[in-house]
Amino acid sequence: QEQLVESGGGVVQPGRSLRLSCAASGFSFSSFGMHWVRQAPGKGLEWVAVIWYDESNKNYADSVKGRFTISRDNSRNTLYLQMNSLRDEDSAVYYCARDLRGSYGFWGQGTLVTVSS
Amino acid sequence: DIVMTQTPLSSPVTLGQPASISCRSTQSLVHSDGNSYLSWLQQRPGQPPRLLIYKISNRFSGVPDRFSGSGAGTDFTLKISRVEAEDVGVYYCMQATQFPHTFGQGTKLEIK
Repeated sequence: QEQLVESGGGVVQPGRSLRLSCAASGFSFSSFGMHWVRQAPGKGLEWVAVIWYDESNKNYADSVKGRFTISRDNSRNTLYLQMNSLRDEDSAVYYCARDLRGSYGFWGQGTLVTVSS
Repeated sequence: DIVMTQTPLSSPVTLGQPASISCRSTQSLVHSDGNSYLSWLQQRPGQPPRLLIYKISNRFSGVPDRFSGSGAGTDFTLKISRVEAEDVGVYYCMQATQFPHTFGQGTKLEIK
């Protein structure tokens, strides 16, 4: 059974860094592109970043470009999101999602990031 | 960026009755490969989003056949033939034809 489990969220001060992880199981992780999507409290969904299955390509939302870095370790079946220079507006639940035929077929339960002084 | 606009933003529906949500994009969602990457997602209260429909009209695995998607170009519709209590939640359309991927504002489906 496919499963995605995010971790690494927490409370962090503005300007600091945090690294999120997403552990995948139940499918061939190295065969699929992976996304990070976030949802601020009580708000809608915002796509954050994507990484191709082989890391050959990455793409970011303008709101995080230059501050966030998506990466993956296919040997560990794990996706990462390195978040630097965090801002209040980065506070959200962060979901990892598996690419499926041009959509997001499977989602994790999410990890909450709160940026606050 | 492609902007996705959903209507209505709130939809009170009687159990057993149909429901319909519209989604309009500011640009055609036809990709150079000929596909239109328009999806519908459901988010039940306290849950992560769940894929219902991909490429306009394809139901994802395990999705009941009371859910259907249609449309083309810039105008798309999600229909629920007979609303059940478990359908309560927020529905999002999203486009993955072009980066950045973008979502509609969400439509809250509630029972009257």
